[in-house]
Parts: sequence; structure tokens; C-alpha cells
Amino acid sequence: QVQVVQSGGGVVQPGRSLRLSCEASGFTFRSYGMHWVRQAPGKGLEWVALISHDGNTENYVDSVKGRFTISRDNSGNTLYLQMNSLRPEDTAVYYCARSLHPYFDQVGYWGQGALVTVSS
Amino acid sequence: QSALTQPASVSGSPGQSITISCTGTSSDLGTYTYVSWYQQHPGKAPKLMIHDVSQRPSGVSDRFSGSKSGNTASLTISGLQAEDEADYYCSSYTRTDTLVFGGGTKVTVL
Repeated sequence: QVQVVQSGGGVVQPGRSLRLSCEASGFTFRSYGMHWVRQAPGKGLEWVALISHDGNTENYVDSVKGRFTISRDNSGNTLYLQMNSLRPEDTAVYYCARSLHPYFDQVGYWGQGALVTVSS
Repeated sequence: QSALTQPASVSGSPGQSITISCTGTSSDLGTYTYVSWYQQHPGKAPKLMIHDVSQRPSGVSDRFSGSKSGNTASLTISGLQAEDEADYYCSSYTRTDTLVFGGGTKVTVL
């Protein structure tokens, strides 16, 4: 069955960097768009970024543009989120997610989440 | 990239039906049928309940149904059960090739 298993997360100081990873299995990874969605403590879901199946299209929420980069390794079935210049307001559980359809129109399957805490 | 608008809370008694609204704009929900609903229990990852406005994934109870009219989508839960108590989020594709979520609705079973 579809699985997305996340790694990374942890505590990082403001202004520093962190990379999240997500390994996919149970489906043809190179055929599906992928997303990152985050949830600050006690708050709602916020879509963060998407990448097309071939990596040619990336889009971001305004608050992370220029700081975060989504990427993928289709040969290794892995999705990444490189987070630079982290701010306290980036503190959240970050979910890796697969699009429901091959396009990136809706989130269908979610990872278990990884907590990122930005604090000095 | 403004969030879709949902009521903060909705409640109902077991067996009743409740409806959660989700209001967007012509830049997202009003234009696209890529509208989804997610259920999230505390400490858990979200779960897809409805996609493409009204389609239920395999394994989701038929007590859950979705619809859309204009800039507003709705999720109806019929025959409310204790296990339906959770947070619910709507989501839509947007004109800028991004996604947007609603603020979430807490469903309480009285």
C-alpha cells in the first residue's frame, strides 16, 4: 500500500537550516506530484510547497518563498524539503504527502509528520 | 493565499446529521472541482475523507458526503457517531497552482 515515511525534524536555532526527507513506497514515485504541509502547535493545516512528478514545477506558500526548497530524487523514491533561514514561526509538524492523482491538485496520502522546533 | 473559511466548531447528537461549510473565492473553490476534505484526530496525521468535491475514497463510510455550490463547499456527516469527533479541514486547488486549506472545524458529538 502507499507509504510515505518521514525522517528529519528536531530543534534548530533561528537563522539556521534543516532538511526534511520522506521515503516513498507502494507506488510509482516518479509518476506523482508531492507536497509538504505543516501544522503549527494547536493550529490548522497550512500547505507549504508542491513539486510535479518530474520536478519541473515547484510552487510555495508566500511565507516560505526564497527560504524553503522542495526537491525530489525519483531514482531513490525520496522527497526533500530544504529549510533555510528558519524563523520561530516555522515551528510546526511537517507532513510529507502524495498527490491523490498523478497531477498535484489534491493531497491524498500523508506521512506520519516530523516536528520542527525553531528556538534559541 | 488566504485560507478558506470554515466555522470554528459544529456539534450534534449521536444519530443526527451535521454540515460543515467551506467558503472560498473565484480563484480557488469557485473555479475548481479539486476540493477535498480531511479528518484529523488529535496527534494523528490527517485522513482523506472526500476528494473531487463529492467522491469518497475506498474505505470511507458513506455517512460522509460532499457538495459544492458557487464559492462554498460542504461536508455532511449523517448518522453522527462518537468516532466522528475530530477536526475537519477543507482544501482547494487554486489559480496560482498552489493549494489552500480551511482553518479547520472542530466537530463535537454531544
